[in-house]
Amino acid sequence: DSGVTQTPKHLITATGQRVTLRCSPRSGDLSVYWYQQSLDQGLQFLIHYYNGEERAKGNILERFSAQQFPDLHSELNLSSLELGDSALYFCASSVGGTGESPLHFGNGTRLTVT
Amino acid sequence: GDSVTQMEGPVTLSEEAFLTINCTYTATGYPSLFWYVQYPGEGLQLLLKATKADDKGSNKGFEATYRKETTSFHLEKGSVQVSDSAVYFCALRWSRTGGSYIPTFGRGTSLIVHP
Repeated sequence: DSGVTQTPKHLITATGQRVTLRCSPRSGDLSVYWYQQSLDQGLQFLIHYYNGEERAKGNILERFSAQQFPDLHSELNLSSLELGDSALYFCASSVGGTGESPLHFGNGTRLTVT
Repeated sequence: GDSVTQMEGPVTLSEEAFLTINCTYTATGYPSLFWYVQYPGEGLQLLLKATKADDKGSNKGFEATYRKETTSFHLEKGSVQVSDSAVYFCALRWSRTGGSYIPTFGRGTSLIVHP
């Protein structure tokens, strides 16, 4: 058990809809990273938050947004969903924000857009 | 930008065979290097890491040595087990503008071990 909790485990929704994915980091970890994993693109970095502040953005679409709350949990919002957004979305946490400390991953949310 | 290249899978082996999964990187400076493993239905978990040249990371019989001269971090295990069947990801820390360091991952290599 990594200590990182992601909910829900599975989401099935229709094109054009909006969903929210939730992540609770491991106790004591200040950094939260979001990744998208698909068969053809591998593991793609989306966004990084450290102690409530956005630190870096990867190839995150404008239709996607995220935030980290004062209690350090994070939410990833995906809107105007398209079929191509179907993927596994992982949250990972770490103690620091420098990328040197290991990441602890949740078990992911599998999003299916129909 | 910085990147990681892994050998494509799947790698299929018999139990007790020797395993090598190749990983090379492109980076400025000397980033920390990692191997993560993903078992079916789970998230990635850290397998081992190395923080400087010639460092050897090891865990659960797996080893990888940080080779600066060849910019490589190949994963090896002397005798694989069926339970090692998983997807293995090589990763490095890279820097972005503004000083935020983000781990970046290779595409993953699937390992299948037959009894």
